[in-house]
Amino acid sequence: DIQMTQSPSSVSASVGDRVTITCRASQDISSWLAWYQQKPGKAPKLLIYVASTLQSGVPSRFSGSGSGTDFTLTISSLQPEDFATYYCQQANSFLGKLTFGGGTKVEIK
Amino acid sequence: DVQLLESGGGLVQPGGSLRLSCAASGFTFSNYAMTWVRQAPGKGLEWVSGISGSGSSTYYADSVKGRFSISRDNSKNTVFLQMNSLRGEDTAVYYCAKDVRQHSSEHDYWGQGTLVTVSS
Repeated sequence: DIQMTQSPSSVSASVGDRVTITCRASQDISSWLAWYQQKPGKAPKLLIYVASTLQSGVPSRFSGSGSGTDFTLTISSLQPEDFATYYCQQANSFLGKLTFGGGTKVEIK
Repeated sequence: DVQLLESGGGLVQPGGSLRLSCAASGFTFSNYAMTWVRQAPGKGLEWVSGISGSGSSTYYADSVKGRFSISRDNSKNTVFLQMNSLRGEDTAVYYCAKDVRQHSSEHDYWGQGTLVTVSS
């Protein structure tokens, strides 16, 4: 099974900072990578799919990049509403189970 | 608007069974795969099971394979998760999610979740 590893597990940042989260797949998943945001007590929200496509309604300060095994989620200028936990996911069942990464918590500095 | 409403959660003893339901509306249900994802208290997301739009393909996490069964009724726009031989480690909020495609893939809409507690 494909394993998804996120780093860091947590990051402290200030409003206006640029934040980068990394996700690594244990084998090549092409561009089949999704990113989600989850706030406490809420369901996750899809931010980005096929590695770099922004879901409708998601602010343009979020961007995704990468292919193969290495992927990145970038928040260009952190806003107060962006403090949350972010998860990556292998997103193609033809490649195997749709495994999530362990999550990255973005906290206020 | 897309809506997903889970039901069927609750307290069950170890070894017991529970059936979760997710009623969907606001989209052509049979055109999309559906998924169950769970989150244990204080933990991350765990993909549990998926089913294709037609229902012909199903997928399971190793942790639930042989104990859980996913199904769907496209005439009633509902997806189910039958959970048998429940264990303490199955305690979690269970989310139903709509996939982006006909086959299991990313999840663009989520329900509010239903809590399953396995305890004696």
